[in-house]
Amino acid sequence: AQTVTQSQPEMSVQEAETVTLSCTYDTSESDYYLFWYKQPPSRQMILVIRQEAYKQQNATENRFSVNFQKAAKSFSLKISDSQLGDAAMYFCASNTGTASKLTFGTGTRLQVTL
Amino acid sequence: GAVVSQHPSWVICKSGTSVKIECRSLDFQATTMFWYRQFPKQSLMLMATSNEGSKATYEQGVEKDKFLINHASLTLSTLTVTSAHPEDSSFYICSAPPSSYNEQFFGPGTRLTVL
Repeated sequence: AQTVTQSQPEMSVQEAETVTLSCTYDTSESDYYLFWYKQPPSRQMILVIRQEAYKQQNATENRFSVNFQKAAKSFSLKISDSQLGDAAMYFCASNTGTASKLTFGTGTRLQVTL
Repeated sequence: GAVVSQHPSWVICKSGTSVKIECRSLDFQATTMFWYRQFPKQSLMLMATSNEGSKATYEQGVEKDKFLINHASLTLSTLTVTSAHPEDSSFYICSAPPSSYNEQFFGPGTRLTVL
């Protein structure tokens, strides 16, 4: 079984600054995948970034990047140059491959202030 | 990215009635779809895995007879809440992974209110 833990219920960041959201996970699988999803007030789940566990290189998507520490089972999300539109719930999640179910963390609510 | 739709986006029904929610993959085929329930300010809770052409797999604690799932085609899964009660009021979300994709794409969700 997989577990995903997000220890920060809420975070706040000023516009244009950088913020890091934490996520730890536990799994007995050797092959797995990690994701960060964003859920804005519309409640539409949006994929932010994904990381394959077998890849050592940290994934990046424009202003979003991850710090994947496989030995520590840590998968944090860094948001650079924060924008007002980044305000949302962020969920860390994992699965074990194609068409396998996702395990979600409890989420971190990110506020972006002027 | 791939697009998943849900219908209706919101529904209000009387206690004791049944409500059907549709989940469609618009530009890809999905042999597997997932149904989640989300309470306010909480995470997504997986209810069941919908499998095209076979029975759904329900998570522990989810009543199979209350939450009927049918995956009739490679682009459509339905969730029917039978004999709905106020405690069934929630936000229901479906997701689907295109083949060879590891990530899932989510529908916009359905807000169910049972009076």
